[in-house]
Amino acid sequence: DAGVTQSPTHLIKTRGQQVTLRCSPKSGHDTVSWYQQALGQGPQFIFQYYEEEERQRGNFPDRFSGHQFPNYSSELNVNALLLGDSALYLCASSAMGQYEQYFGPGTRLTVT
Amino acid sequence: KNQVEQSPQSLIILEGKNCTLQCNYTVSPFSNLRWYKQDTGRGPVSLTIMTFSENTKSNGRYTATLDADTKQSSLHITASQLSDSASYICVVRNGYNKLIFGAGTRLAVHP
Repeated sequence: DAGVTQSPTHLIKTRGQQVTLRCSPKSGHDTVSWYQQALGQGPQFIFQYYEEEERQRGNFPDRFSGHQFPNYSSELNVNALLLGDSALYLCASSAMGQYEQYFGPGTRLTVT
Repeated sequence: KNQVEQSPQSLIILEGKNCTLQCNYTVSPFSNLRWYKQDTGRGPVSLTIMTFSENTKSNGRYTATLDADTKQSSLHITASQLSDSASYICVVRNGYNKLIFGAGTRLAVHP
């Protein structure tokens, strides 16, 4: 049983560009959450998707958007990249109503 | 304001020694508290999860405590190993299903 998977593992983009990160949840999970983790900091909640809709959102600008597909996989899109968007982006999956949340290995985004 | 504060920010210990990491929170209403271990550049892995009624929970050499009255938790690591070198993150879930993360404690275990 594969856990949470994310792609790509590492990405380098230029300021102003757009990026799409992908996440496949753990088998049996229907809820996907995205987090941004700057170096040396704890993860910051971006948003959560359930039943293909954004259910909760953290304090992130509209440049950050997402999508969830019928197979529960999810994408995180970031437009007009800024240098400050450089971080480890984590995806976590869970079953709605369950406490346990499983994290993927993350995508390291570097904006130059 | 919902906050989770961890101390120390970083810690260096010798292999085989014990250590205790602290977590203080001001989250309300409280639902549960988890400790995660995060290796550098990797996703966090859950160590323990504790609800309001639980005072102590162990996972191998890791023992977490929770005092819901003082809103404090600790993670005790026994007989540390080199592989324990990582960041340890305290996360509190509030009653509105929101997770509040601490900044983590970076532990380095030296031979």
